[in-house]
Amino acid sequence: KAGVTQTPRYLIKTRGQQVTLSCSPISGHRSVSWYQQTPGQGLQFLFEYFSETQRNKGNFPGRFSGRQFSNSRSEMNVSTLELGDSALYLCASSLWGQGSTYEQYFGPGTRLTVT
Amino acid sequence: DQQVKQNSPSLSVQEGRISILNCDYTNSMFDYFLWYKKYPAEGPTFLISISSIKDKNEDGRFTVFLNKSAKHLSLHIVPSQPGDSAVYFCAASPNSGNTPLVFGKGTRLSVIA
Repeated sequence: KAGVTQTPRYLIKTRGQQVTLSCSPISGHRSVSWYQQTPGQGLQFLFEYFSETQRNKGNFPGRFSGRQFSNSRSEMNVSTLELGDSALYLCASSLWGQGSTYEQYFGPGTRLTVT
Repeated sequence: DQQVKQNSPSLSVQEGRISILNCDYTNSMFDYFLWYKKYPAEGPTFLISISSIKDKNEDGRFTVFLNKSAKHLSLHIVPSQPGDSAVYFCAASPNSGNTPLVFGKGTRLSVIA
């Protein structure tokens, strides 16, 4: 079974631009979560989508948004990029969602650098 | 306010010895805990989990201990191998509903040959 894939793997953008990242979950998984990882901050939860609906949202500004398609693929968008948005963005999929016994499977991440 | 804390950013251990990674939590609603391992340029991979109805869970060289009264858990790796060198994240969740996992900041383990 193919794992979680994320595209692109690396991205360099300029402050003020916007960016869209893509995530394809493991086949059959319906939940997709997004995380931001910065040095010294661990993994910070952005949002979770389940069956095309945002089910949970972390404490990030409205510049961060996402969506999920009927095939469970998900995209996240960051508008008006700031230098502080430079980070590794990780996508994780699971069968039913977070918590309980349903472990999440992570993709390799997209490394975003904002200059 | 950090609900899941990994107070040691890094740890060095000799090959063959025991590695002990610690994690503390503050939210008493947490009752399911997971450890993830992350290599550079890869996403985190699930390692081991424990539910609050247990105080120990073992999987090969990896054992997780949970002390609910102290709100503390630890991951023991015995014996440590150079391939275990990675960043280890502790995560916690209430076992009801679909509440997002809360991750610690990670501990970088270096196993020296």
